[in-house]
Amino acid sequence: EAGVAQSPRYKIIEKRQSVAFWCNPISGHATLYWYQQILGQGPKLLIQFQNNGVVDDSQLPKDRFSAERLKGVDSTLKIQPAKLEDSAVYLCASSFDSSVYEQYFGPGTRLTVT
Amino acid sequence: GESVGLHLPTLSVQEGDNSIINCAYSNSASDYFIWYKQESGKGPQFIIDIRSNMDKRQGQRVTVLLNKTVKHLSLQIAATQPGDSAVYFCAEIPNSGYSTLTFGKGTMLLVSP
Repeated sequence: EAGVAQSPRYKIIEKRQSVAFWCNPISGHATLYWYQQILGQGPKLLIQFQNNGVVDDSQLPKDRFSAERLKGVDSTLKIQPAKLEDSAVYLCASSFDSSVYEQYFGPGTRLTVT
Repeated sequence: GESVGLHLPTLSVQEGDNSIINCAYSNSASDYFIWYKQESGKGPQFIIDIRSNMDKRQGQRVTVLLNKTVKHLSLQIAATQPGDSAVYFCAEIPNSGYSTLTFGKGTMLLVSP
């Protein structure tokens, strides 16, 4: 079974630029998550989708971050404009559905904002 | 606010030793806990889970203990191997029925041959 795919793996941008990350979850998984992991810390949930609907986006900085999962499969997370404090690894995870607790994580995208 | 935290940021052991990684949680309403392993450059990988109605659960070389009285969780790794070197996170599900995880800060386990 193929795992969660993410791209790009690494991205370096200057502050105030925009960036987008892509995630393709495990086939058949209805729930998709985006996490932000700052160096030395545990992942923090940014947004959770159930199919193409948002379940939880309470910790998403909506003035600069946006995410979509239009067809209920792959998802895109965007930052516009980026700030220095956005430097982190952005992890995507999926689970069969929201009542199944085991989440499968992708390798992440390491973002550096200079 | 509610949080999950770890007592030790770094644990160094010798190959073959048993390792114990600890975690304190503050949300007494959490009913599900998971341990994740994260190797450098990779996403977290599920290790073992435990529900709040259990005190102990065993997997292959790993055991999770839950002490609800003091809100403490531990991960025991038997016969630790160099491949076990990674950062270990405990995570809790604060709301039953939903899969939203709250992660702690992590403990780095270093295994020397």
